[in-house]
Amino acid sequence: NAGVTQTPKFRVLKTGQSMTLLCAQDMNHEYMYWYRQDPGMGLRLIHYSVGEGTTAKGEVPDGYNVSRLKKQNFLLGLESAAPSQTSVYFCASSTRGAKNIQYFGAGTRLSVL
Amino acid sequence: KNEVEQSPQNLTAQEGEFITINCSYSVGISALHWLQQHPGGGIVSLFMLSSGKKKHGRLIATINIQEKHSSLHITASHPRDSAVYICAVRSLQGAQKLVFGQGTRLTINP
Repeated sequence: NAGVTQTPKFRVLKTGQSMTLLCAQDMNHEYMYWYRQDPGMGLRLIHYSVGEGTTAKGEVPDGYNVSRLKKQNFLLGLESAAPSQTSVYFCASSTRGAKNIQYFGAGTRLSVL
Repeated sequence: KNEVEQSPQNLTAQEGEFITINCSYSVGISALHWLQQHPGGGIVSLFMLSSGKKKHGRLIATINIQEKHSSLHITASHPRDSAVYICAVRSLQGAQKLVFGQGTRLTINP
């Protein structure tokens, strides 16, 4: 039981390049989330999904796109990377319900030069 | 002003000391979470509270809904407790989402 798995763990991009971060969970969770974590700031929600085929914007969605084609996978895409997107990205998942605990992946450290 | 404020931002203590980390929030909530982020980066959930107090080993979490305040206590602290502790709330308006505090970096020296 791997929980929440993020790939890759590290990536360096040049400005303007594109990439996709993959999040996979094996807990049959309905809800999945993408966050970014920057120094001195709390985790900020980029996009989230409450079920297969549905996505919604979070607090800082600009410059990112997401897809949830399968229940277990949540993809985060950067179409044209910018230095401001240098950050650590975390994926999380939870069961349905307002009080349920989120389980986090190990994070992806992305640098955009 | 952030919806969730933690204090202190940084805390250094000696092994064995009693530790308190505070969290204040400004919105109505359905639940409050305490999470731990180790130096390696992984984030794990410690507690989920909607009222009262919870205890797990040497960790105790309390919440006062009327005062919009929660505390995380660590008794008999140990160097392995060194981590960033994060408070997060589920507001009544955005029940699917958590709003996070900035975190408190705790260092326990032997």
